[in-house]
Amino acid sequence: GIQVEQSPPDLILQEGANSTLRCNFSDSVNNLQWFHQNPWGQLINLFYIPSGTKQNGRLSATTVATERYSLLYISSSQTTDSGVYFCAVKTGANNLFFGTGTRLTVIP
Amino acid sequence: DTGVSQNPRHKITKRGQNVTFRCDPISEHNRLYWYRQTLGQGPEFLTYFQNEAQLEKSRLLSDRFSAERPKGSFSTLEIQRTEQGDSAMYLCASSVDGYEQYFGPGTRLTVT
Repeated sequence: GIQVEQSPPDLILQEGANSTLRCNFSDSVNNLQWFHQNPWGQLINLFYIPSGTKQNGRLSATTVATERYSLLYISSSQTTDSGVYFCAVKTGANNLFFGTGTRLTVIP
Repeated sequence: DTGVSQNPRHKITKRGQNVTFRCDPISEHNRLYWYRQTLGQGPEFLTYFQNEAQLEKSRLLSDRFSAERPKGSFSTLEIQRTEQGDSAMYLCASSVDGYEQYFGPGTRLTVT
């Protein structure tokens, strides 16, 4: 099956700093989603971005499908941004394949 | 739009017992998915429904697992003769066709 790799695995930031999370995938995809998993386990939708660039407040994402990667940018980080960020992709199959996540800790 | 809901949120059971979880998808969504997440890993696909038809099952879904979506609305996931290895977070998601998936809060299962 498709391989989804996320980097870095762990990231510690001072509040107010910016960060870039990366997702590489091994095959062509027709969907890509970014999620934030909060400490209670809820997966919160951030972006549905099979290609192109989107922005939502302090967050933005870019997917370059032809080069098989996506980037999630977090600017002016806040403590509430802490948690695990997952990239998930869909190929011809109907389910999402998830990466192993990036654990972000934002320190006040 | 109330989002995807799951019940119960937590379940503790003894090895060998049967458990059943329920998922209520977003009302207009025709697809419903079940995933399982273990500690430190991303969610892994178990099975999915289009309306009431179960169209795909993962190899992770052993014979002890069964899922239904009888009227194309809510779904249940039953695990028979639970084992300690079944301890995990069970996540449900829904979507319109193959588009963006929205997840519920999950059911955390602990098998003692």
